[in-house]
This record gives sequence, C-alpha cells and structure tokens, in this order.
Amino acid sequence: ETGVTQTPRHLVMGMTNKKSLKCEQHLGHNAMYWYKQSAKKPLELMFVYSLEERVENNSVPSRFSPECPNSSHLFLHLHTLQPEDSALYLCASSLRRTGLAVNRWDTQYFGPGTRLTVL
Amino acid sequence: AQKITQTQPGMFVQEKEAVTLDCTYDTSDPSYGLFWYKQPSSGEMIFLIYQGSYDQQNATEGRYSLNFQKARKSANLVISASQLGDSAMYFCAMRDMNSGGGADGLTFGKGTHLIIQP
Repeated sequence: ETGVTQTPRHLVMGMTNKKSLKCEQHLGHNAMYWYKQSAKKPLELMFVYSLEERVENNSVPSRFSPECPNSSHLFLHLHTLQPEDSALYLCASSLRRTGLAVNRWDTQYFGPGTRLTVL
Repeated sequence: AQKITQTQPGMFVQEKEAVTLDCTYDTSDPSYGLFWYKQPSSGEMIFLIYQGSYDQQNATEGRYSLNFQKARKSANLVISASQLGDSAMYFCAMRDMNSGGGADGLTFGKGTHLIIQP
C-alpha cells in the first residue's frame, strides 16, 4: 500500500466502550499528526509526534490517548467518549525539519479518515 | 483572531468554467507556507498545491494555480476548466512558525463547498 491508511473507516461506539484508531504511513515521513474535523468547524490539530516523541498536545481531553510505537504507525486510543466527540478523525504525516524556514517539504499528507459516532 | 479566512461557504459553477476560491491569511512570521486541500465526500484530504512566502512566482500544478498577493495576504486558488469531479470541499491552510497548533500544525480555514454543474 502507498500513502497514508487509516482503520477502521467507520466506528460506532458507546460512551463506556474502549476502542482504538490506527494510522499507517508508507511515505518515509518522520512526523505524524491527529486532527479532528467536526461539522461546521475547521480542522483542529490534536497531537503531533516526531520521531515517536509527542511534541504537541493541543489541550485535548485525557479520554483521547495517542501512541506512536514507530515512525510509520500512530494510534488514537479512545475511552469514555462523549457524544460531542463524534467527528471525522484524520491522520496525516510529513517530514519534520526543525529550525528551518517553511517550504513544500513540510506538506502534510492525509489518510482517508475514521468517521466516529459516539452514542 | 482567525488566521485563515475563506469567505465563500458555497459556490455553484458551470462545468468548463474557471473557478476562483478565496483565501486570506494573517501572520506576522516572514516564513510561512500556504496549502490548498480538496476534500471529496469520501472524507480524504487531498493535497493540491503549495505556495511559500519567499516564492517569487505563483505556484501552478496542472489545472490548479495560486494567485498569491503577499501584500494583501491573499492566496486564492484558481481551477481552470472545471470538471464535475472537482465538486468537493476546498480548504486553505497555513503553516508558520507560530501556528495555532504549534510550530508543526496546519491552521485551516472553514472551507468552501464547490459544486460543479453540468
């Protein structure tokens, strides 16, 4: 497979369930990202991992727990979610070059997303 | 303050016509990048085109071009000869060294829903 893949594509869960979203990138990138896209709101950055180290946590509730075991895989563990957490969750990857001016190599490539519904 | 503004929530365009999607941005950083993405109903965000703040020429990628007016802080996407398959949401995004989500995050606009009519 090429690009960025995400599984599952659709997920319905109850508020007491525990589930995980998986993301895998085949682009040789060293940074991975989780974004949340809610209806009628801009995409919101949730987490950034660079070289398996979390470098950004954008005030996300602790019921979302990310994990990055290596530079190709990213997980988002979900537990005791609320109905307002229903959204499209998008994973992205890029090259991360610290201390350099922004250029086209910073382009983030996205997966197809997981559409999450919390009942 | 909103960093990326897309003022057109929706647009209807006849097939084969050219389309301009507006995007204005706000940053005080001299180094920044502007990105346009297309999101069909399937959900995937597809990268279209990039424009860097130091680029001397407007970016072009096939039927996509970027009308970059740095002094006005605008980066409008132009799609030439529109096709039915161009119907989708289009998002303008920016990365600067002080992005709202940290130095690595992209800040997105609210998007424009483009519908191409036969």
